Amino acid sequence: GDSVTQMEGPVTLSEEAFLTINCTYTATGYPSLFWYVQYPGEGLQLLLKATKADDKGSNKGFEATYRKETTSFHLEKGSVQVSDSAVYFCALSIISNFGNEKLTFGTGTRLTIIP
Amino acid sequence: NAGVTQTPKFQVLKTGQSMTLQCAQDMNHEYMSWYRQDPGMGLRLIHYSVGAGITDQGEVPNGYNVSRSTTEDFPLRLLSAAPSQTSVYFCASSQDGYSYNSPLHFGNGTRLTVT
Repeated sequence: GDSVTQMEGPVTLSEEAFLTINCTYTATGYPSLFWYVQYPGEGLQLLLKATKADDKGSNKGFEATYRKETTSFHLEKGSVQVSDSAVYFCALSIISNFGNEKLTFGTGTRLTIIP
Repeated sequence: NAGVTQTPKFQVLKTGQSMTLQCAQDMNHEYMSWYRQDPGMGLRLIHYSVGAGITDQGEVPNGYNVSRSTTEDFPLRLLSAAPSQTSVYFCASSQDGYSYNSPLHFGNGTRLTVT
């Protein structure tokens, strides 16, 4: 079945460090890919998305490129801030033969940024 | 603009008790859904609705009921609580249920403990 594998956390970085959170996927068909972020005490919110191969999603200084050849969608940011401390979820969606969307989430990666 | 509102924030139940988790959205979204979030397992879909009067099962529906009598509200009922239902529950909504087209908006969650 469809699945998403994220790097294990927690990840702790110093402010202004470079961030990579790895995400790989397995899917039948042509999924759309997403990164969601969950700040403490809140629900998830969409950070960025890419709907086809070689698309780059970007938002708030974060970027991720849809790589079909390596089935990956790694999240990167050049210089992290304390306010980026959160849990990050990679997700994929597939449209079934019945026309419904199936959205599959990874297990989440907790990121802590130290001043 | 409230978005997706969930109540209560926290709840403790004894095994066998029943309760309803409330979810309301003020964005006139057709699609609403319930997820549970468990450590190391990401988010899993419990039930969803594509419009008033229409509901369907997700990945883990057993032990839960839903109804959708209005566009705004989508309550989740636990009929006879079990310790395995200890989790954080999230309600989410979107315009059309297709994440590549309209993002999911999440509530802030309900943390449920069943003893």
